[in-house]
Amino acid sequence: SQQGEEDPQALSIQEGENATMNCSYKTSINNLQWYRQNSGRGLVHLILIRSNEREKHSGRLRVTLDTSKKSSSLLITASRAADTASYFCATDTNTGNQFYFGTGTSLTVIP
Amino acid sequence: NAGVMQNPRHLVRRRGQEARLRCSPMKGHSHVYWYRQLPEEGLKFMVYLQKENIIDESGMPKERFSAEFPKEGPSILRIQQVVRGDSAAYFCASSPLEGLSLKTQYFGPGTRLTVL
Repeated sequence: SQQGEEDPQALSIQEGENATMNCSYKTSINNLQWYRQNSGRGLVHLILIRSNEREKHSGRLRVTLDTSKKSSSLLITASRAADTASYFCATDTNTGNQFYFGTGTSLTVIP
Repeated sequence: NAGVMQNPRHLVRRRGQEARLRCSPMKGHSHVYWYRQLPEEGLKFMVYLQKENIIDESGMPKERFSAEFPKEGPSILRIQQVVRGDSAAYFCASSPLEGLSLKTQYFGPGTRLTVL
């Protein structure tokens, strides 16, 4: 199964600190994407990184991809209480139509 | 341009009843995906449809579950004879792109199904 794993499962930090969460996957990918899900809501797309890219930035978000280790990390800098949510990575492959979602990291930012 | 719409947002059914979940993709999108999310878990792919075609249903249970995306109207995920284990959040996503190219899926708010 390509199902990814996020690490840690839960993370609690103070407002203003940086939050780092990791995602590992099992097979070769085409793209890797990060999504945020607020409690009881749908998923919001944050950022996409292609398999031939190593790092990407978007505002306070920084994503890295290491295809040799089959892992990605999402860094949120200067966190805010509004960043409190679950974060999922999702991968897609060249041979399939579906996205494979990880199990998620639950982030709590304490004001 | 409205986003992906799903209805109902919440659905309560008794065991043995049928559940119908609807998804209207974003305007101009002709590709629809359905996912299921159990509590405290990530999303699990169920089925991928284009207009009038099921492209990939590898994640959908063989029995009691069916999906369609007619030429006109929303995509429908149908669960017959629901059981308690079907209680979950069901998300629909749509995409304007097909094949192997860059693809981002836009998610609806989900339908939370509770089976009593």
